[in-house]
Amino acid sequence: DADVTQTPRNRITKTGKRIMLECSQTKGHDRMYWYRQDPGLGLRLIYYSFDVKDINKGEISDGYSVSRQAQAKFSLSLESAIPNQTALYFCATSDPVHSGANVLTFGAGSRLTVL
Amino acid sequence: AQKVTQAQTEISVVEKEDVTLDCVYETRDTTYYLFWYKQPPSGELVFLIRRNSFDEQNEISGRYSWNFQKSTSSFNFTITASQVVDSAVYFCALSDYAGGTSYGKLTFGQGTILTVHP
Repeated sequence: DADVTQTPRNRITKTGKRIMLECSQTKGHDRMYWYRQDPGLGLRLIYYSFDVKDINKGEISDGYSVSRQAQAKFSLSLESAIPNQTALYFCATSDPVHSGANVLTFGAGSRLTVL
Repeated sequence: AQKVTQAQTEISVVEKEDVTLDCVYETRDTTYYLFWYKQPPSGELVFLIRRNSFDEQNEISGRYSWNFQKSTSSFNFTITASQVVDSAVYFCALSDYAGGTSYGKLTFGQGTILTVHP
């Protein structure tokens, strides 16, 4: 099994629908992240979490919400999806405690299309 | 604020050519880390290398090498004798120190699409 698992891998939905992307990890890391990838824009941070009691907005959090249900689970929700949220979404984890260098381990990505 | 610029949007080479991917960064931190990630056509993101701000030694790993120059705020990536399997999107990224209560969030560049033709 993958260290970081994202579900669903692909989703097509309609404008206005509520969508949840789920992420679970088996690495035992405290830190989890949601990034969005758009062509020509690289990866941009949506939300990040230090631990289950810590949730922080990233640079593009508008229109998104998250839930850290447990150390291993971090879900991203789109309450009312819109077409410009069509993108590839990545969940990531990290454990920089020992090195100070935040090497991220990414999931395989969730491709979301909003019609 | 941190910023990473990969000025080359797309690069196309023929197999066995050497190719350099440029990365320029901006930060006010004295301690920071630089990274390169590879995204092959399958879509996953693969960690290639990290370098801390106090270590300006160049690094070589097989056909891959990295040139870190603080004086020009650059962290360039060279592939020697490129192969078709090197075709991917390559991302450069920057973070501050992630120890203690610092988050060490990664800021990514826009990515460079490398296509290696047979």
